[in-house]
Amino acid sequence: QKEVEQDPGPLSVPEGAIVSLNCTYSNSAFQYFMWYRQYSRKGPELLMYTYSSGNKEDGRFTAQVDKSSKYISLFIRDSQPSDSATYLCAMSGTGNQFYFGTGTSLTVIP
Amino acid sequence: SAVISQKPSRDICQRGTSLTIQCQVDSQVTMMFWYRQQPGQSLTLIATANQGSEATYESGFVIDKFPISRPNLTFSTLTVSNMSPEDSSIYLCSTRTGAEAFFGQGTRLTVV
Repeated sequence: QKEVEQDPGPLSVPEGAIVSLNCTYSNSAFQYFMWYRQYSRKGPELLMYTYSSGNKEDGRFTAQVDKSSKYISLFIRDSQPSDSATYLCAMSGTGNQFYFGTGTSLTVIP
Repeated sequence: SAVISQKPSRDICQRGTSLTIQCQVDSQVTMMFWYRQQPGQSLTLIATANQGSEATYESGFVIDKFPISRPNLTFSTLTVSNMSPEDSSIYLCSTRTGAEAFFGQGTRLTVV
């Protein structure tokens, strides 16, 4: 079983739609949960960072962590064509290693 | 946060040759990480590089194939040696500030 499983996508949505991206994980020791956005031919950039369970909101983006279900989500409201990218979930525990999902490719159609 | 400049951004190389990828961080960092990103797969950690010590390699990666240098706290290189088409991938360097990871823009390597 992989440490992190991410819905494969790809997703294609119309502009203005609400997008839901999800990951599940198996290691209950994970405490730090992150979402990265990666544009084509660019490195991943940190989008959202959450420690432990709960919700975090930043503009049109909301990250949710449910540690009891080992499930994390990223919601994008009022999606824009500029949101078209690959979204990677990542998580870590107390050690140095990060565990990444495979990424979900999102296309927002104008 | 940390800003990482990585180069080259892409290269096409002949089989059997070597390529050295460089990463420069805008601040001093203890640890730097090198990843490989293949299509449809998650980022795979190659090795962790601390300044002044030997890099630590993950299972499946060896120093002879991926030698790493870490001469100071702001710079690291990864060499992909004796390349074959199977080495075609995106290579990323990374560092951490607290629990947050930051990445260079990646090197897209194609081996022909």
